[in-house]
Parts: sequence; C-alpha cells; structure tokens
Amino acid sequence: DTAVSQTPKYLVTQMGNDKSIKCEQNLGHDTMYWYKQDSKKFLKIMFSYNNKELIINETVPNRFSPKSPDKAHLNLHINSLELGDSAVYFCASSQEREGSYEQYFGPGTRLTVT
Amino acid sequence: QKEVEQDPGPLSVPEGAIVSLNCTYSNSAFQYFMWYRQYSRKGPELLMYTYSSGNKEDGRFTAQVDKSSKYISLFIRDSQPSDSATYLCAIPTGKLIFGQGTTLQVKP
Repeated sequence: DTAVSQTPKYLVTQMGNDKSIKCEQNLGHDTMYWYKQDSKKFLKIMFSYNNKELIINETVPNRFSPKSPDKAHLNLHINSLELGDSAVYFCASSQEREGSYEQYFGPGTRLTVT
Repeated sequence: QKEVEQDPGPLSVPEGAIVSLNCTYSNSAFQYFMWYRQYSRKGPELLMYTYSSGNKEDGRFTAQVDKSSKYISLFIRDSQPSDSATYLCAIPTGKLIFGQGTTLQVKP
C-alpha cells in the first residue's frame, strides 16, 4: 500500500506551458506539504496545508498555486513554466503531535522544462 | 548564516568503514534533530531522531547531538553498499528545515 503517492512521476514540458502535479496520502494525516529539491539535492519547503487550510507559504512565485480539495489530497499547479522550475517536487504528509515531527514523503515528480 | 548547514560531499568509503556525517545549526533553541535517508530517485525517509543532547543508537547507526557546539552527527558502523544514499539532517521549527544533504557511496 502506497502511503504518499504522486502523479506523474516524470514530466517533460516546454517553457510557458501550465502543468499540474497531484498528491494523495492514505495515512489519515491532517497536514500535507510540497517541497522542491534542486539539482544539488537541497530540499526546501514550498507550501503546507493543514486540514485544507494553507499554513505555510514560502517565498514561491505566484505562478505556483497549491490546491487541497480534501485533507488527503494536495495538488500543485504551475503556470507559465520556466527553465528554473526544473527540479524534483516532493509531496509529504504528517500528523503532528508533541514529540513527533516525522514527515512521510512521496516518490517525487521529476519536472524538466525545456 | 543558514539555519542548518551540511557538507554536501560526496563522500566515498570502502565497505566496512565507519562513516561520520555532520551538520551544524545556528539556533541554540532547537531541541529536536532528525536524520533522513534518501536513496537515488526516491523520497526521503526518516532514519533516526534525537531530542536534546546525547546519543541514540539503532543498530549500526548512532545519532549524536552536541548542543554546546550546535553540532549534530550521524555515525554508520560497518558501512554497507546498501547504505549508499544521500543523508539529510533536518530540524523541525514549525516546518522542517533541511541541511543540504551529504551523498555517500560505500564501495564493495
């Protein structure tokens, strides 16, 4: 059983296009995240949703828009793609409680913008 | 200064070696420290976590925190080729702040 799943796994597209990445978790967690990992493996948070409500919005261009239809899903839509958007995007989820901060990551979506 | 800093490596060692992976952090208020392991083309997975100072051991892995010097370490004893991965330290601060990750290769 896949805990956190993402689709698609690979995405190759041209500059200027709009694309979406979907994420689903079946862990019953109430918080979900989007991370971007660059070519140097640096992993940085982009957004966080708790029970469908946006709680973290890092300094991300507004071409990136997350949407959470319910607490098990968090999608990422990217408008007007640029070369610099090429990266691996990870979805994650967690159920935060005192003393436990573990986040469970999906397999990643490798986005290549040409 | 970045909140969490980690030498990206890469680090290449022979099988059986003891590996030391390290991070430094800037805020002395941090109490909880995590190590994630990420295999190639996979998502990160939590390997170990420690709270406050001291050591925590799990099999061949030992996580160590030195709060006086704001230094966290992960030691791998008897390293195996299957340990080849990127290791990321992380600190929860309302969000997870990751170090840059150290890529380790263990050669048979």
